[in-house]
Amino acid sequence: KAGVTQTPRYLIKTRGQQVTLSCSPISGHRSVSWYQQTPGQGLQFLFEYFSETQRNKGNFPGRFSGRQFSNSRSEMNVSTLELGDSALYLCASNSEGVGEQYFGPGTRLTVT
Amino acid sequence: AQSVTQLGSHVSVSEGALVLLRCNYSSSVPPYLFWYVQYPNQGLQLLLKYTSAATLVKGINGFEAEFKKSETSFHLTKPSAHMSDAAEYFCAVSDWGGGADGLTFGKGTHLIIQP
Repeated sequence: KAGVTQTPRYLIKTRGQQVTLSCSPISGHRSVSWYQQTPGQGLQFLFEYFSETQRNKGNFPGRFSGRQFSNSRSEMNVSTLELGDSALYLCASNSEGVGEQYFGPGTRLTVT
Repeated sequence: AQSVTQLGSHVSVSEGALVLLRCNYSSSVPPYLFWYVQYPNQGLQLLLKYTSAATLVKGINGFEAEFKKSETSFHLTKPSAHMSDAAEYFCAVSDWGGGADGLTFGKGTHLIIQP
């Protein structure tokens, strides 16, 4: 079974720009979660999608958004980038029932 | 609200020694508990999970954890450390199935293995 794929692996953007990150979950999984990882704040939950609907959302500003497609692939978008958005963004493919999450390698975003 | 506290941001042990990484949680409902490991420049890998079955949970790479409700703890252990165990370890809690906040992670413990 193929694992979770995230693209791109690395990104460098300038303040004020926007960025889109992509995640392909494990085949058969219908739920995808996104997390932000920074040295200062650690791992923080962004949002979760299930069957194309946002089911849960963390405490992040509206600049952070996401969507999920019918094939379960998910994208997250960050608009008007700030220096503080520099982080590792992790996508997790969720196994239904026991809440087991399988993480991708992440996208390292650097905002300059 | 759920929370996780990992005692010790850094833990150093000698190769072959016992590994003990501490995790305490708070949850308003019976929790699901997880331990993840993260190697440099990689995502998180699930080591083991507790989902209200056996209180002693065995995971991959020789790790195990014991759920103690009275102590609200879920400490991770390994009898004999190996150099390849050097990594960042995260404890996480979820009330998946009833909650809406995804996984709540601890701050992580960096495990250092001394030769």
